[in-house]
Amino acid sequence: DAKTTQPPSMDCAEGRAANLPCNHSTISGNEYVYWYRQIHSQGPQYIIHGLKNNETNEMASLIITEDRKSSTLILPHATLRDTAVYYCIVRVSSYNTDKLIFGTGTRLQVFP
Amino acid sequence: NAGVTQTPKFQVLKTGQSMTLQCAQDMNHNSMYWYRQDPGMGLRLIYYSASEGTTDKGEVPNGYNVSRLNKREFSLRLESAAPSQTSVYFCASIRTQAFFGQGTRLTVV
Repeated sequence: DAKTTQPPSMDCAEGRAANLPCNHSTISGNEYVYWYRQIHSQGPQYIIHGLKNNETNEMASLIITEDRKSSTLILPHATLRDTAVYYCIVRVSSYNTDKLIFGTGTRLQVFP
Repeated sequence: NAGVTQTPKFQVLKTGQSMTLQCAQDMNHNSMYWYRQDPGMGLRLIYYSASEGTTDKGEVPNGYNVSRLNKREFSLRLESAAPSQTSVYFCASIRTQAFFGQGTRLTVV
């Protein structure tokens, strides 16, 4: 089963910051939080990932709470092209490999 | 740099027919994965392979077989297709992040 919980949908005005929350209360100490997005029915696209510290790249920022039970993906200036389904994923590590288990994601609608 | 390539992009099968979905990656990754995505839902893991010659079941393996003959290629086989297997199938390879193919849209009638 997916180990993350996200709201099913959110709206955001173009040019404003989009803040997408995610709960992962059962996360283990060495498990990373990943964010992907999927536009229409294309293959998911990597956005960002983190373990404990906040992370920032050219696409987004990731804020992870100190207890690591939740995180927020921030798109600082949302555009219409950011309309997509956003998946928060915990990377599950087993003895020989890692797995990405997807939940149902948040459908973000950016409006003009 | 092609990344992850899936073939075919579209396929229509009749119930009971068999087919193999092909996936190849050129990034020298050890781990490769097959997911399916039904309408309005997230991706569900079918099978994965940690390295050449090894495979393991994911969340929804029933009705599928896989083969990892070399590091580059990971195929998914439907031996006897059923309408419930109508879905979009994604292959991925992972190191630090996952790279996904463009998907195979399969319809079983």
